[in-house]
Amino acid sequence: KAGVTQTPRYLIKTRGQQVTLSCSPISGHRSVSWYQQTPGQGLQFLFEYFSETQRNKGNFPGRFSGRQFSNSRSEMNVSTLELGDSALYLCASSSRTGDSGELFFGEGSRLTVL
Amino acid sequence: SQQGEEDPQALSIQEGENATMNCSYKTSINNLQWYRQNSGRGLVHLILIRSNEREKHSGRLRVTLDTSKKSSSLLITASRAADTASYFCATFDKLIFGTGTRLQVFP
Repeated sequence: KAGVTQTPRYLIKTRGQQVTLSCSPISGHRSVSWYQQTPGQGLQFLFEYFSETQRNKGNFPGRFSGRQFSNSRSEMNVSTLELGDSALYLCASSSRTGDSGELFFGEGSRLTVL
Repeated sequence: SQQGEEDPQALSIQEGENATMNCSYKTSINNLQWYRQNSGRGLVHLILIRSNEREKHSGRLRVTLDTSKKSSSLLITASRAADTASYFCATFDKLIFGTGTRLQVFP
């Protein structure tokens, strides 16, 4: 069974640009959540999608948005990039069946904003 | 914030020693999970403990949960250099992770 796939793995953008990151969850998983990880702030929750609906949202500005498609693949978009958006963006999928709750993470997309 | 907090932030030990990490959280939970992250990689699930459990074992890992104190601990026994990583606790209900404990195990 293939794991969680995130693309691209690395990217460099300049301030003011926008970026779209993609996450393909494990087959059969309907929940996808996104996290931002920086050395200073640790692992911060961005949002969670389940069956194309946003279920939870963290404390990030409106420049951060996401969506989920009918095949459970998810994208997140950051507009008007700022230097502080440089981070490792992690995606995790979960079956959300029963009460197991285990999250399966991708290897992340490392964004550098210049 | 409902974020969990791990303690200590960093821990350095020798191979063969035990490593103990603590986690505190702020709200009621159904379960608590521990994850491991090798540098710059994704997180890997280690163990889940439910709110009605007090202790759970998995190989060299031992997790305890005290819901009255809203705290959990992760014990790694007989540590190895390969255990060097960051360890995070997470309260599943809100998908909130703590800040992590960076464990360094020296050979």
